[in-house]
Amino acid sequence: GIQVEQSPPDLILQEGANSTLRCNFSDSVNNLQWFHQNPWGQLINLFYIPSGTKQNGRLSATTVATERYSLLYISSSQTTDSGVYFCAVASGGYQKVTFGTGTKLQVIP
Amino acid sequence: EPEVTQTPSHQVTQMGQEVILRCVPISNHLYFYWYRQILGQKVEFLVSFYNNEISEKSEIFDDQFSVERPDGSNFTLKIRSTKLEDSAMYFCASREGPNTGELFFGEGSRLTVL
Repeated sequence: GIQVEQSPPDLILQEGANSTLRCNFSDSVNNLQWFHQNPWGQLINLFYIPSGTKQNGRLSATTVATERYSLLYISSSQTTDSGVYFCAVASGGYQKVTFGTGTKLQVIP
Repeated sequence: EPEVTQTPSHQVTQMGQEVILRCVPISNHLYFYWYRQILGQKVEFLVSFYNNEISEKSEIFDDQFSVERPDGSNFTLKIRSTKLEDSAMYFCASREGPNTGELFFGEGSRLTVL
């Protein structure tokens, strides 16, 4: 099956700093989503981005499907950005979604 | 905004007991999924369901697991005889169509097996 690797696995940021999270996938995909898992375990949709670039406030994402990667940018980080960030890709006939390994982000004041 | 709802939010059970986790997908969605996340690990696919039958399942989804859409709105996951290693967060998800992108997740049901 498709492999989805994220980097870095762990990241500590000072509040106000910027960061880039990367998602690499091993095969062609039809869809890609980024999620934030908050401390309560909820998966929050950030972006649905099979290709191109999107922005939502301090967050933006870019997917280059032909090169099999996606990037999530966090600018001016806040402590509420802490949590685990997952990318998830969809492939196959019934669009099974495979999650990446996750990046655990801690933003310190 | 429509959302996927799951109940219960947390269930504690004894090893060997049967557990049913319930989900109400978004009403016009046709594809339904269950995922599992053991504490501290990544989110793993269990099963997908379309047109009242399983369309794909993972190796995790063995004979102890079953899914059902009993009444056209609920989508349930049953674990027949729970084991300690079934302790996890279980997420239900739905999507409108096979190529209609976004997957919407419920808030999860945390299962603790003692």
